[in-house]
Amino acid sequence: GESVGLHLPTLSVQEGDNSIINCAYSNSASDYFIWYKQESGKGPQFIIDIRSNMDKRQGQRVTVLLNKTVKHLSLQIAATQPGDSAVYFCAEIPSQGAQKLVFGQGTRLTINP
Amino acid sequence: DSGVTQTPKHLITATGQRVTLRCSPRSGDLSVYWYQQSLDQGLQFLIQYYNGEERAKGNILERFSAQQFPDLHSELNLSSLELGDSALYFCASSPTGAPYEQYFGPGTRLTVT
Repeated sequence: GESVGLHLPTLSVQEGDNSIINCAYSNSASDYFIWYKQESGKGPQFIIDIRSNMDKRQGQRVTVLLNKTVKHLSLQIAATQPGDSAVYFCAEIPSQGAQKLVFGQGTRLTINP
Repeated sequence: DSGVTQTPKHLITATGQRVTLRCSPRSGDLSVYWYQQSLDQGLQFLIQYYNGEERAKGNILERFSAQQFPDLHSELNLSSLELGDSALYFCASSPTGAPYEQYFGPGTRLTVT
């Protein structure tokens, strides 16, 4: 079925450390995955995406890893900064040709000074 | 700033009433998506329009309807409002009919009293 979930609802990290946010999905036919960042009072902001034919993709200070064997997705943020404090959502397109994104519940990332 | 605009930013209304939320997509984007975000349900896809036509439907109630106009702006109509309809409503736009690369607006916060 269509189901995207997160291992942890909250994550606290020290400023300057790396953050890893995890996401599990259940549909092996899922074709495309996206990470969004949502700051308080704002709409979700695209961070990075990855297609199912890839296992890693890097952006500026962020890396997404996809492990299709265990249906697991992670977002790594390097050298976490105060501005990274937000709720992070993973989302998937549940099958090729599907016309919608299915969002997980979100992980709140808090940065400790 | 994603380039997607939504009005109004806040809306307070009473049960039983009807409201209209408005969304203008990014310049050149043909698809508009509507989402509802509530505390207990996360981001839920409601409906998608592509170039004026309904493309996909999600968990949209029969009391809700939407349309996309020739200038590509979209309106979401919510009628017979209930307390449980209180939520953030986001629209997103994308260049094509496929749900990749969605850019979200700032949202409309609806409070039903």
